[in-house]
Amino acid sequence: SAVISQKPSRDICQRGTSLTIQCQVDSQVTMMFWYRQQPGQSLTLIATANQGSEATYESGFVIDKFPISRPNLTFSTLTVSNMSPEDSSIYLCSVGGQRGSYEQYFGPGTRLTVT
Amino acid sequence: DAKTTQPNSMESNEEEPVHLPCNHSTISGTDYIHWYRQLPSQGPEYVIHGLTSNVNNRMASLAIAEDRKSSTLILHRATLRDAAVYYCTPGRASGTYKYIFGTGTRLKVLA
Repeated sequence: SAVISQKPSRDICQRGTSLTIQCQVDSQVTMMFWYRQQPGQSLTLIATANQGSEATYESGFVIDKFPISRPNLTFSTLTVSNMSPEDSSIYLCSVGGQRGSYEQYFGPGTRLTVT
Repeated sequence: DAKTTQPNSMESNEEEPVHLPCNHSTISGTDYIHWYRQLPSQGPEYVIHGLTSNVNNRMASLAIAEDRKSSTLILHRATLRDAAVYYCTPGRASGTYKYIFGTGTRLKVLA
């Protein structure tokens, strides 16, 4: 299994500012994923982050708005840039299990409110 | 990507079995069916997955239709702790697979 922590757990930010969300895993993992969950909605995949390469973004998400860093095999950050109220969501990171494992493990999420 | 269809919500009485359906008629022949659930204020957690045969684990059972176009997650005795949103999603049996989640089914368990 993998234990994932996210910081901050929640934040209230002003329009036009940026927030960086951290995701820390207790073991080395190849791939990390970032999801957004808008209020009352399902999860939407933002991007896939591999260590040592550029993140791969899903349709509708761009690097300028959601830059991602993946400096090592246990850590990643997602920045929400130039925020607007529409960015108010829960942001979650997830990781695959160890080699051969079929489970994904999700962090507790970061609840972001933009005013 | 295969599309899934699930009822928006279901209710069950405590201690009774619950059958949560999922339609995935466009699933590819090599994709597994995965089920995750999201408890209130938490990230999703793995429940079960299968390819063709029915599967059982300590949390639930998964019944897969012979044509693989639908599946049913079975909670044998629902408890209040099982109240959550349940998602089915097709994909490879690999932890590195990127899941595309549908709308899910919100299960309410009545005491």
